[in-house]
Amino acid sequence: EPEVTQTPSHQVTQMGQEVILRCVPISNHLYFYWYRQILGQKVEFLVSFYNNEISEKSEIFDDQFSVERPDGSNFTLKIRSTKLEDSAMYFCASSGVSTTNEKLFFGSGTQLSVL
Amino acid sequence: GQNIDQPTEMTATEGAIVQINCTYQTSGFNGLFWYQQHAGEAPTFLSYNVLDGLEEKGRFSSFLSRSKGYSYLLLKELQMKDSASYLCAVRGGGGATNKLIFGTGTLLAVQP
Repeated sequence: EPEVTQTPSHQVTQMGQEVILRCVPISNHLYFYWYRQILGQKVEFLVSFYNNEISEKSEIFDDQFSVERPDGSNFTLKIRSTKLEDSAMYFCASSGVSTTNEKLFFGSGTQLSVL
Repeated sequence: GQNIDQPTEMTATEGAIVQINCTYQTSGFNGLFWYQQHAGEAPTFLSYNVLDGLEEKGRFSSFLSRSKGYSYLLLKELQMKDSASYLCAVRGGGGATNKLIFGTGTLLAVQP
């Protein structure tokens, strides 16, 4: 079965540094998402991306965050100046055409630790 | 606003049946999803309901009542490997995306 791949699986960074999390969505999918999950908490929506632009973002997704699809396959999340509270598992997801029964396929996540 | 409620934890015995409930209040509704998440891993899709009634898929079934804002996931013939978090997620109406909003998840422990 096709899958969403994420790299790296773990990322350790110092507070204030920039990080880029990378994702390769499923090739024929059209919608791409980033979610995060702080340890012991729920999976939270950050941003969705369609047709080369952000289609929706949550209040968590402030000016420190940005997303990009630099080529036909990669989808990245950049955190400009990391804070301690950015420590979380970050999941990339993708889904197909715009029908309501399209499930999201999740990648295995990047565990980000900000020290 | 969006609110999705599930019990925090449940315990069940191997071979038994367990029902995990979910209630939701969302602005619009375009489907309810159940995902399974093992510790440290990605959520994986289990089931989807958009119309009222029961959807059966092997050992897993999911039920939806839209008028009550209620769903449950039924797991039969429990196995030890079913120990995981079960996440209820709703696709709301409006907006420009197909995003899902997740509940806090129910941590199920299956005991021998």
